[in-house]
Amino acid sequence: QVQLVQSGAEVKKPGASVKVSCKASGYTFTNHAIHWVRQAPGPRLEWLGWINTGTGDTKYSRKFQGRVTITGDTSATTTYLELNSLRSEDTAVYYCARDRSLVLDVWGKGTTVTVSS
Amino acid sequence: DIVMTQSPDSLAVSLGERATINCKSSQSVLYSSDNNNYLAWYQHKPGQPPKLLIYWASTRESGVPDRFSGSGSGTEFTLTISSLQAEDVALYYCQQYYSTPLLTFGGGTKVEIK
Repeated sequence: QVQLVQSGAEVKKPGASVKVSCKASGYTFTNHAIHWVRQAPGPRLEWLGWINTGTGDTKYSRKFQGRVTITGDTSATTTYLELNSLRSEDTAVYYCARDRSLVLDVWGKGTTVTVSS
Repeated sequence: DIVMTQSPDSLAVSLGERATINCKSSQSVLYSSDNNNYLAWYQHKPGQPPKLLIYWASTRESGVPDRFSGSGSGTEFTLTISSLQAEDVALYYCQQYYSTPLLTFGGGTKVEIK
C-alpha cells in the first residue's frame, strides 16, 4: 500500500542542524511531489517547502528560506528535509506528505524534533 | 501569502448534533479558468498525521463518511459535520492550494463533545 515512512525522533542543541528522511513506497515515486509540514505546539500547521520528485525542483516558505533544504533520492525513493540554525521555536512534529493533484493525500507518521540546550 | 482564518478556535457539540467550522481566505481561492475553489479540509487527531477530508471545497475524499461536507466559494468556506460522532473529536484545518506549491493552513478548530 501507499506509505511514507519517516525517520525517528531527534534531539538537537540550539544552532545545530537536523535532517529528517521520508521513504515512499507503494507508488511511482517520481509521479508525486512531496511537501513538508510541521506542527509546533500551537496548534497551527506550517508549510516548509516542496520538492518535485521528478525534476528535483524545490520551493520554500519565505519564513524558512535560507535555513531549509529539501532534497530527493529517486533511487532510494526518499526525500530529505534539512533545517539549519535550530532554535527552540523549531521544536515540532515534522511531516512529509504526498501531493495528489495539489492536495496532500498520504502523510508520514511524523518525526518529533526537540531543540533544547 | 494567502492568510487563512478559521473560526471558532474550539467548539463543543453534543453527540448527534451539527458542528460547523468556518474558514476565510485573505484573497479569493476560486480559480476563474476552471471554476474550482482551491480549498481543502483536514482532520487531525492526537498521535496521528492529518487526514484529507475534503478538496475542491466540497469533494469528499474516498472513504470519508458522508456526515462530513464542505461548502462555500471565493473567500468564505464551511466544514459541516451533520451528526457528531465520538470519533470526530479532533482538530480541523482548512488549507488553500491556490498558490500551490506554496500552501497555507488555517489556525485549526478543536472539536469536542459537550
